Formats: sequence, structure tokens, C-alpha cells
Amino acid sequence: KAGVTQTPRYLIKTRGQQVTLSCSPISGHRSVSWYQQTPGQGLQFLFEYFSETQRNKGNFPGRFSGRQFSNSRSEMNVSTLELGDSALYLCASSVIQGAGELFFGEGSRLTVL
Amino acid sequence: EDKVVQSPLSLVVHEGDTVTLNCSYEVTNFRSLLWYKQEKKAPTFLFMLTSSGIEKKSGRLSSILDKKELFSILNITATQTGDSAVYLCAVDRHRGSQGNLIFGKGTKLSVKP
Repeated sequence: KAGVTQTPRYLIKTRGQQVTLSCSPISGHRSVSWYQQTPGQGLQFLFEYFSETQRNKGNFPGRFSGRQFSNSRSEMNVSTLELGDSALYLCASSVIQGAGELFFGEGSRLTVL
Repeated sequence: EDKVVQSPLSLVVHEGDTVTLNCSYEVTNFRSLLWYKQEKKAPTFLFMLTSSGIEKKSGRLSSILDKKELFSILNITATQTGDSAVYLCAVDRHRGSQGNLIFGKGTKLSVKP
């Protein structure tokens, strides 16, 4: 069974640009969550999607957005990038909404110059 | 504000040693506490604890939760170099609370041969 797949794995952007990250969950998993991981703040919750609807959102500005498609694949977008957005963005999937046991992808490493 | 605090932040031991990692929490609407292991990028699930005093075991790893004192410990006996990783503690909350899992900043364990 394939795991959670995130693309791209690495990317470099400059301030002011926007970026879109993609996540394909494990087959049969309908919930997708996104987390930002930085050395200073650790893992912080961004949002959770289930059945194409955002079910939960963390304390991030509106520049961070996401969506989920009918096949459960999810994308997150960050607009007007800032230096502080440099981080590892992790996607996690679970069978049901709000499950504690999450299956994480390898992440997308974003560097903002 | 809900928070999860892990200690120590880093730890260096030799193969064969036994280690204890700590996680304390202050959250509203507690549902469960989870431990993850992060070796390179993707955190992998270790344990989920919901009841006080019941030890969960998996091989050389074990964990227990104290809901009265609001903490959990993760024990690793007879450590091996393959146990080197960041161990993350997270707390899940009942629906209605903003955000999904709240993570601690992790304990970085280094096991020397």
C-alpha cells in the first residue's frame, strides 16, 4: 500500500511569490491534515480537510489556504511568501476525520529567499 | 493557551542504555496523547494513550499516561543506534477545539555505538 505522497519535495521561492504544494493520501484515507514544521516552533497545525471541506483551521494568516478534491488529494497554497514561511510542510492522512493516528508524508521543504 | 512541553530537548546515550522521555501538557478538552518518532522527515506513529495507568508496549518501547498529573513518559530499553531520532509528543482534543494535534517540540535522542 503506497504511503502519503507529497510533491514537490524541495523548492526555493523568493519573497512575494506564491507556492502550491500537493498531497496524495493513502488509498482509502479521506482526511488530510497539513502541518508546518520549523526549528523554533516545531510542528504546528495548519488545517484539516475531509470530504472536500475544511473541518479545522489553525492560527495561520489568510495567506495560507488549501483545498481537497473528490479523490481526497489535497493542495495547500501560500501567497505573498515571507522569509518566515521557510519550513518543512508535512501532510498527513487518516481514515476518518479527527483521528489521532496520522500517517505523514515525507514533506515539502520550502525555502524563501 | 493549550501547550505540550517535552523534556529533555536532547539526549545522548550509549547503546544498551535505558532512556525516559517526558511529556507534560495543559490542554482543554483532552482526548488522547500520542507519541511519534521522526527519523528524517515523516513522523511515524508509536502509541496512542487515552487512559491513565495503562502501559502500552511495543518491543523495547513502552509508554504510560497520567491524566491526573497531566504527563506521559516514553521508555526505551536496551537502546540501539536505530533508535536515534526526534521523539514527538502530541495531544489530541475533542472536536470543537481549534486545531488538530498539538505537538511538543520534541526530544532529540542520539544513541552512540
